Amino acid sequence: QQQVKQSPQSLIVQKGGISIINCAYENTAFDYFPWYQQFPGKGPALLIAIRPDVSEKKEGRFTISFNKSAKQFSLHIMDSQPGDSATYFCAARSNQFYFGTGTSLTVIP
Amino acid sequence: KAGVTQTPRYLIKTRGQQVTLSCSPISGHRSVSWYQQTPGQGLQFLFEYFSETQRNKGNFPGRFSGRQFSNSRSEMNVSTLELGDSALYLCASSLGAGSNQPQHFGDGTRLSIL
Repeated sequence: QQQVKQSPQSLIVQKGGISIINCAYENTAFDYFPWYQQFPGKGPALLIAIRPDVSEKKEGRFTISFNKSAKQFSLHIMDSQPGDSATYFCAARSNQFYFGTGTSLTVIP
Repeated sequence: KAGVTQTPRYLIKTRGQQVTLSCSPISGHRSVSWYQQTPGQGLQFLFEYFSETQRNKGNFPGRFSGRQFSNSRSEMNVSTLELGDSALYLCASSLGAGSNQPQHFGDGTRLSIL
């Protein structure tokens, strides 16, 4: 059973556009929600993370929106660039980390 | 500051063999977790170690085992290798074992079973 459901599986965005990736969960014991970016041949790199007592967190072009009542959180990438083309994973932690299945983002110049 | 270092980067084994993978965490990090990443199953948690003690274990068979040393370095062992064990094995370290401790990943060991 997938503890964290991530969508879409793949996403194509024009340069300068907004990329939005969504995740949903059921386990209310989750209390930490990070997003990771992974390039081919590399390990996942921590992008940004949020705790459930905060509804939004912004770091540069990356924003997490968190809806505790809906048990959903999303990553917004503003002004998307070709260098952002990568696979993005959401995750949630209770006693261990559970990862979404990943979103392959392609930003077209 | 050096990141998480995993060795070797690539490994080819045959069915039935056993393998040991190594992970050196970021200096000062005392928690190490291991994950298996495959195209079909994504990132799956194997186990977490903190201060040489296994704190959590994922849903993997007993062929998968690990340990952590006093310097926080960790090793993972897989015995009686099966074709389905082919995957990218990732190690992640964090300062402590708390729920809001960010994890930092290494670049993984790519294990191929022939």
